Amino acid sequence: GESVGLHLPTLSVQEGDNSIINCAYSNSASDYFIWYKQESGKGPQFIIDIRSNMDKRQGQRVTVLLNKTVKHLSLQIAATQPGDSAVYFCAEKDFNKFYFGSGTKLNVKP
Amino acid sequence: DAGVIQSPRHEVTEMGQEVTLRCKPISGHDYLFWYRQTMMRGLELLIYFNNNVPIDDSGMPEDRFSAKMPNASFSTLKIQPSEPRDSAVYFCASSPRDRSYEQYFGPGTRLTVT
Repeated sequence: GESVGLHLPTLSVQEGDNSIINCAYSNSASDYFIWYKQESGKGPQFIIDIRSNMDKRQGQRVTVLLNKTVKHLSLQIAATQPGDSAVYFCAEKDFNKFYFGSGTKLNVKP
Repeated sequence: DAGVIQSPRHEVTEMGQEVTLRCKPISGHDYLFWYRQTMMRGLELLIYFNNNVPIDDSGMPEDRFSAKMPNASFSTLKIQPSEPRDSAVYFCASSPRDRSYEQYFGPGTRLTVT
């Protein structure tokens, strides 16, 4: 079956620095890739999506990059803030079925 | 909008008992998803509905699990009989018709089966 995995289980960054969270996927048929943020005790929160025919998409302080050649997805957070501390999940969509990665914990040091 | 509402927030029950989890999606959303989250298996899609109709239930672990969506504003996930290995956080999520990937999750129900 499909699998979505993350390279780094924990990432620590200094407040104000940029963060990069990586993700590998395996299903070439996925048409959308999505990033979610999950804070402790809460449900995942949608951050940004990218369609499979795109390479880059920017949001507010976040950028998602998609490299279909190596099946790699990344989330860049600019000027990381303490409020960004959470677990980040990548997910892939294959005809309304969603497969989530195992998550990367982002720690922001003040 | 209040977002996706789930109840109860916590449920502790004994093995063999029936458990019913409830979800109210965001008004106007056509898709509703049920997920289960555990440390070992992460976030898993159990079943999803489109316009109240179950579309794919291949993620439902076994026949002890069932889900219904009698109308656009209410869904239930039932486990009967419950087992300790069902202990997990269960999330409900909803999304708009033209953006099924933009899912809005509820706060989850933490289920403990003893």
